Amino acid sequence: DTGVSQNPRHKITKRGQNVTFRCDPISEHNRLYWYRQTLGQGPEFLTYFQNEAQLEKSRLLSDRFSAERPKGSFSTLEIQRTEQGDSAMYLCASSPDTFYGYTFGSGTRLTVV
Amino acid sequence: DQQVKQNSPSLSVQEGRISILNCDYTNSMFDYFLWYKKYPAEGPTFLISISSIKDKNEDGRFTVFLNKSAKHLSLHIVPSQPGDSAVYFCAAGGETSGSRLTFGEGTQLTVNP
Repeated sequence: DTGVSQNPRHKITKRGQNVTFRCDPISEHNRLYWYRQTLGQGPEFLTYFQNEAQLEKSRLLSDRFSAERPKGSFSTLEIQRTEQGDSAMYLCASSPDTFYGYTFGSGTRLTVV
Repeated sequence: DQQVKQNSPSLSVQEGRISILNCDYTNSMFDYFLWYKKYPAEGPTFLISISSIKDKNEDGRFTVFLNKSAKHLSLHIVPSQPGDSAVYFCAAGGETSGSRLTFGEGTQLTVNP
């Protein structure tokens, strides 16, 4: 296990289309996080899973966004009816239960045209 | 409401000298603080952390200082090396914010040979 893996690395989509991103965390990590980063800003929290349970969601996560972690392993983040404002880097991270230093993946860069 | 702020977008230092990156926060409920380093096209990498019960934590060339009364933390890198050139983010979290971290905007450090 070499770290947190995110696919795809880049995604270009037309406005109004749906997109789905995948994250494979470090296998022994129970916690999984999604963050979004725009140019010139730090990562912003979107949502957090403890195993398969989604325990927290940011107000940034509108009803067009949905995240799942069906078996407590990989996670998907879906954005429906994409808008240009959704263009950003989407970062996934994982951590064990008692350590706050997340391990981030390399991210998926979304461009909505 | 920007609860974690890094007021210097960029910093340039000579190789071998000390780099000092600063971060201010407003939420007194934060009880742990972290620094991440980010290279282009990669996710942030955890660097060093400090609990609010300490005022200093050292790891090799990296030292983080916390001044709770001033709500200020800093990262010292000594000696600086060209490979340290990256964007540095400070982040903060606490029991009241669950597992989410709040990140600053980042500081681009350039270490010149």
